[in-house]
Amino acid sequence: DARVTQTPRHKVTEMGQEVTMRCQPILGHNTVFWYRQTMMQGLELLAYFRNRAPLDDSGMPKDRFSAEMPDATLATLKIQPSEPRDSAVYFCASGQTANTEAFFGQGTRLTVV
Amino acid sequence: QQQVKQSPQSLIVQKGGISIINCAYENTAFDYFPWYQQFPGKGPALLIAIRPDVSEKKEGRFTISFNKSAKQFSLHIMDSQPGDSATYFCAASGRPGGGADGLTFGKGTHLIIQP
Repeated sequence: DARVTQTPRHKVTEMGQEVTMRCQPILGHNTVFWYRQTMMQGLELLAYFRNRAPLDDSGMPKDRFSAEMPDATLATLKIQPSEPRDSAVYFCASGQTANTEAFFGQGTRLTVV
Repeated sequence: QQQVKQSPQSLIVQKGGISIINCAYENTAFDYFPWYQQFPGKGPALLIAIRPDVSEKKEGRFTISFNKSAKQFSLHIMDSQPGDSATYFCAASGRPGGGADGLTFGKGTHLIIQP
């Protein structure tokens, strides 16, 4: 059962704390996306990687957000320091180079208080 | 700049009826137009997708109609069922270098099918 796995599913943290969200893409997929979903803005692309190299992170606030792929089976999204406006559901998705379909994980619901 | 505009925001349809959701895009470089379905607490899942070389694609009860000149595309759900109640997102992407690329999503339509 191939699927994108995200951890944690839920995270509540205090303002100013560091938050790390993790994603395991589907085995064999070489493209990984990070999206953020809020009621006001909908689904927004934050960043994406191909073959572990960052291709576009223009949607990500550079001063506090960072995304990395330490290896082909792990993508991370970090927020430091976190702010209440970062509260949202963060989705990771993966896909193959030859196929534009993106498969989404179940998301990490982040609440910053 | 919102590159993909989706309407309506919410839609109520009687069981057995036709649900229609519309999207319009601005970027003529887009060449892949998927629709995603999202249930509460879940991630979006691909429902059906179309490329601009065809005007219509049908998969079961779901049909995409595509109008390249008008830069519009729509999702039709025939014989709508209560299990179709979900949020639907249209999206668009280009592939400047080939391969998977980030999607630009519409704001979503909350669809309720009444029994």
